[in-house]
Amino acid sequence: QKEVEQDPGPLSVPEGAIVSLNCTYSNSAFQYFMWYRQYSRKGPELLMYTYSSGNKEDGRFTAQVDKSSKYISLFIRDSQPSDSATYLCAMTKGSNYKLTFGKGTLLTVNP
Amino acid sequence: KAGVTQTPRYLIKTRGQQVTLSCSPISGHRSVSWYQQTPGQGLQFLFEYFSETQRNKGNFPGRFSGRQFSNSRSEMNVSTLELGDSALYLCASSRDPGQGTYEQYFGPGTRLTVT
Repeated sequence: QKEVEQDPGPLSVPEGAIVSLNCTYSNSAFQYFMWYRQYSRKGPELLMYTYSSGNKEDGRFTAQVDKSSKYISLFIRDSQPSDSATYLCAMTKGSNYKLTFGKGTLLTVNP
Repeated sequence: KAGVTQTPRYLIKTRGQQVTLSCSPISGHRSVSWYQQTPGQGLQFLFEYFSETQRNKGNFPGRFSGRQFSNSRSEMNVSTLELGDSALYLCASSRDPGQGTYEQYFGPGTRLTVT
């Protein structure tokens, strides 16, 4: 079993839709959770960073962490064609800088 | 503030050769990590350097090595290249770990093709 599982999609939605992206993990030692956006042939861009359980909102993006269920989510409101990219979840125990990544979900937002 | 820079951006090498990739972190960032990204395995951690010392290492063979200089710039080296080493190599930088933050910022990557 992989430490972090993420549905690879692809996910295709119309412009303006609410998008929900999810990851599950097996290691309860993970404490810091991140979401990255990666455009084709570019490096990952940090979108959201959260510590432990709870919600964090930044503009159209909301990150949720449920440590009891080992489940994290990223919601994108009013999705735009420019949001079309691969979204990667990542997490770390906090004892070092090693990030463990999900495989990524490919999202396409259609105008 | 300038982001993480990596050179070269693209590289084509032949099996058996060696390659050196370079990374300059964000100004003020002292930790540099390296990752390999492939379609099959996704993003995998290679190693992390802080204050010129390797602090963590992923599950890669000894052909993969790295170093960090006093100005925090880092290089990674792959010797005796194999076809399976073809990948996007990403460098990420982080602030002083004493500040209790684990955010990592990635560069654009070096795309290595081994023929």
